[in-house]
Amino acid sequence: GAGVSQTPSNKVTEKGKYVELRCDPISGHTALYWYRQSLGQGPEFLIYFQGTGAADDSGLPNDRFFAVRPEGSVSTLKIQRTERGDSAVYLCASSLGRWGRGTTGELFFGEGSRLTVL
Amino acid sequence: GDSVTQMEGPVTLSEEAFLTINCTYTATGYPSLFWYVQYPGEGLQLLLKATKADDKGSNKGFEATYRKETTSFHLEKGSVQVSDSAVYFCALSLLYTGANSKLTFGKGITLSVRP
Repeated sequence: GAGVSQTPSNKVTEKGKYVELRCDPISGHTALYWYRQSLGQGPEFLIYFQGTGAADDSGLPNDRFFAVRPEGSVSTLKIQRTERGDSAVYLCASSLGRWGRGTTGELFFGEGSRLTVL
Repeated sequence: GDSVTQMEGPVTLSEEAFLTINCTYTATGYPSLFWYVQYPGEGLQLLLKATKADDKGSNKGFEATYRKETTSFHLEKGSVQVSDSAVYFCALSLLYTGANSKLTFGKGITLSVRP
């Protein structure tokens, strides 16, 4: 597609359940990012992929959160044993890649997956 | 650590009013600066950017100038329209690190423009 696609757009789950959120980046974008946006806050960085590898996962809040990008395109954010505090909009973004290869830092965002943990 | 501070909101203006949204930053290096906008029901999208001191970013009638001496990147528009109603986020990125262009965002501010 033309833009970053995220599914599902909405997910309601119960505390303790496992959740997967999917991101399909813009074709040709080697860099992929996950952010989390809580109500009234700006997006907070979670993890960054360059190709298939997680180049920076310093924003993952704890070991219940994990993300993969096995073929360097689609990425899945996985949350185990969900807690009510995990409720937020999870944003995915992609970009062309590293500085010096045509990127000026612009990230292209999807519309997000809204996660509600009851 | 690196951070972005935006003025408190929300902001409500009448159509054709002048807009200023303040943004200041703290960074260990020489960041690039961005304004992203989120219209109702849509994803974040880049509004404008500036990559070095004294650069002016502009788009859709909005402008912001990268002021290194005051570490600021205030967003301005001379005459707002109802269609400008959205949430505005200031952000920075330390591109010089080379490894990635991770963005650090401010909290965002909601702008409502009345007809």
